[in-house]
Amino acid sequence: DTAVSQTPKYLVTQMGNDKSIKCEQNLGHDTMYWYKQDSKKFLKIMFSYNNKELIINETVPNRFSPKSPDKAHLNLHINSLELGDSAVYFCASATANEQFFGPGTRLTVL
Amino acid sequence: QKEVEQNSGPLSVPEGAIASLNCTYSDRGSQSFFWYRQYSGKSPELIMFIYSNGDKEDGRFTAQLNKASQYVSLLIRDSQPSDSATYLCAVFRGGADGLTFGKGTHLIIQP
Repeated sequence: DTAVSQTPKYLVTQMGNDKSIKCEQNLGHDTMYWYKQDSKKFLKIMFSYNNKELIINETVPNRFSPKSPDKAHLNLHINSLELGDSAVYFCASATANEQFFGPGTRLTVL
Repeated sequence: QKEVEQNSGPLSVPEGAIASLNCTYSDRGSQSFFWYRQYSGKSPELIMFIYSNGDKEDGRFTAQLNKASQYVSLLIRDSQPSDSATYLCAVFRGGADGLTFGKGTHLIIQP
């Protein structure tokens, strides 16, 4: 009965590959987010989706594309992975007052 | 540009003492303010949120907000070793905007 789940938990891949991270929430929230936490632990928003519509994109390279097949899912697809993409990626689901974070996906690009 | 500033620490506090964590923000349009705790290798966990000037208490935690000074703080009373973590301050403008986080303060409670 996990509120926000992500898969995979760990992802190790070569430069240039394309990969996806999946996120699902069972809270019935309308808004979901993707955050990136870099090696210095700085957590920064990447995307938000509200009712399957992209609301903001915080200067993220277009190699990153969020995809939402339905309100409960917000997946992150990354093309042509680069070394600098190595980070922990967190999905979150939100009410007006609280954001619930998933467990994170640690991406390592070799 | 929206910014949230925190002292990165580490902040070392003896067990049983009060830990005081501070945060300033630049966006005067911010409406809600959050404190998250993050243990190493784990996801952020909400400790408290506040949106009105003044104090808000929840158990050992008190959040303080001063919008005029653009300042938010978190007090942890009777600090325990299990409180050792990184504390992230975050602000929210409203609507579908995401949270803007500070870089976090690393808190160490010494037994």
